[in-house]
Amino acid sequence: EADIYQTPRYLVIGTGKKITLECSQTMGHDKMYWYQQDPGMELHLIHYSYGVNSTEKGDLSSESTVSRIRTEHFPLTLESARPSHTSQYLCASSEYATYNEQFFGPGTRLTVL
Amino acid sequence: KNQVEQSPQSLIILEGKNCTLQCNYTVSPFSNLRWYKQDTGRGPVSLTIMTFSENTKSNGRYTATLDADTKQSSLHITASQLSDSASYICVVSAGNAGNMLTFGGGTRLMVKP
Repeated sequence: EADIYQTPRYLVIGTGKKITLECSQTMGHDKMYWYQQDPGMELHLIHYSYGVNSTEKGDLSSESTVSRIRTEHFPLTLESARPSHTSQYLCASSEYATYNEQFFGPGTRLTVL
Repeated sequence: KNQVEQSPQSLIILEGKNCTLQCNYTVSPFSNLRWYKQDTGRGPVSLTIMTFSENTKSNGRYTATLDADTKQSSLHITASQLSDSASYICVVSAGNAGNMLTFGGGTRLMVKP
């Protein structure tokens, strides 16, 4: 089982709140990713990082922001949550290697009321 | 545009029966193809990975095939168990500098007693 953790697992908040979703991995992986997944739908990449101080936007436009100050930590922040942000957020990491296998965390299910 | 299409979208089978899930892709250049299993509310877990030169790979009761010429893959599940109920996602990695992944929409499998 992969050593990648996400907290909280479930979050219900009101509109306008600022939230941070935490993601940590203990595998020393350089690359980390955030995906958004609506129920029964495919994963969409919203952010990724090649390493410390590197952040890039993914295929799906997102109002969230990320930071990568430490190798093992890749938090995602929403400055002002809206109901349209309700979704599951999955964090993943991988080595900087050819086969690029990504290990996923358990996900955070966010509900914005 | 890179795409991965899976069929069927959903499938119901009886415990003990076999089933085959299909994946067609148009990802170029091709690097590798993975099948992931995603339990409800959890992150995906890798089942198999195949590169261009491999045409079959097994992991217990799961056997994946790859035809790089027709750009098709299949995942065969033998003697299904209730715990096989999950979404199965086909993921193709492009052989470019970013090594980004293209996700299929998944097949939702339900195994009934």
